[in-house]
Amino acid sequence: EVQLVESGGGLVKPGGSLRLSCAASGFTFSSYSMNWVRQAPGKGLEWVSSISSSSSYIYYADSVKGRFTISRDNAKNSLYLQMNSLRAEDTAVYYCARGTKGVGATDFDYWGQGTLVTVSS
Amino acid sequence: QSALTQPASVSGSPGQSITISCTGTSSDVGGYNYVSWYQQHPGKAPKLMIYEVSNRPSGVSNRFSGSKSGNTASLTISGLQAEDEADYYCSSYTSSSTWVFGGGTKLTVL
Repeated sequence: EVQLVESGGGLVKPGGSLRLSCAASGFTFSSYSMNWVRQAPGKGLEWVSSISSSSSYIYYADSVKGRFTISRDNAKNSLYLQMNSLRAEDTAVYYCARGTKGVGATDFDYWGQGTLVTVSS
Repeated sequence: QSALTQPASVSGSPGQSITISCTGTSSDVGGYNYVSWYQQHPGKAPKLMIYEVSNRPSGVSNRFSGSKSGNTASLTISGLQAEDEADYYCSSYTSSSTWVFGGGTKLTVL
């Protein structure tokens, strides 16, 4: 059974940093691209970042480019999102989602339960 | 990248069919067959219902179907059931190697 479990969310002050993790199990992690998707309270889904299976291709939404860094450790079956210079508008539930392929255009076939990030003073 | 355009809400009675549209541009929906649909119940994670425009993952009811014409994709749910009441989001891969979601549609089963 595919499982994605996010952790690392919490309350952080504007300008602060946070590192999210996503632990994967039930599939060959190193064969799939991985993504972060967020959802602000009461709002819709917003794609944040994507990383290919071997970390060769990394993409970011304009809203987080230069502030967030996605990475993965295939030996540990883990996905990460380092978030710096956090702003109030980054407040959201952050989901990790598996891509349907290792690289390139994909859909998102499995999602974690999400971790809440709150940016507030 | 602007969000894909979905109706804010749709409704239908049990047993009826409804269709949710998702309009983008030639740089996303119209240019790629990586259009997908997600169902989200309150407080839950999104669930993939349709991938690559018209394919159903294993375990998803055949009451759910997807299609695309030009820059507009559509999700049709036939034989509406109370459990279908949820938010639905479309998503598309884009020419910038990014992804874009629709604003979401709240489905109410009357």
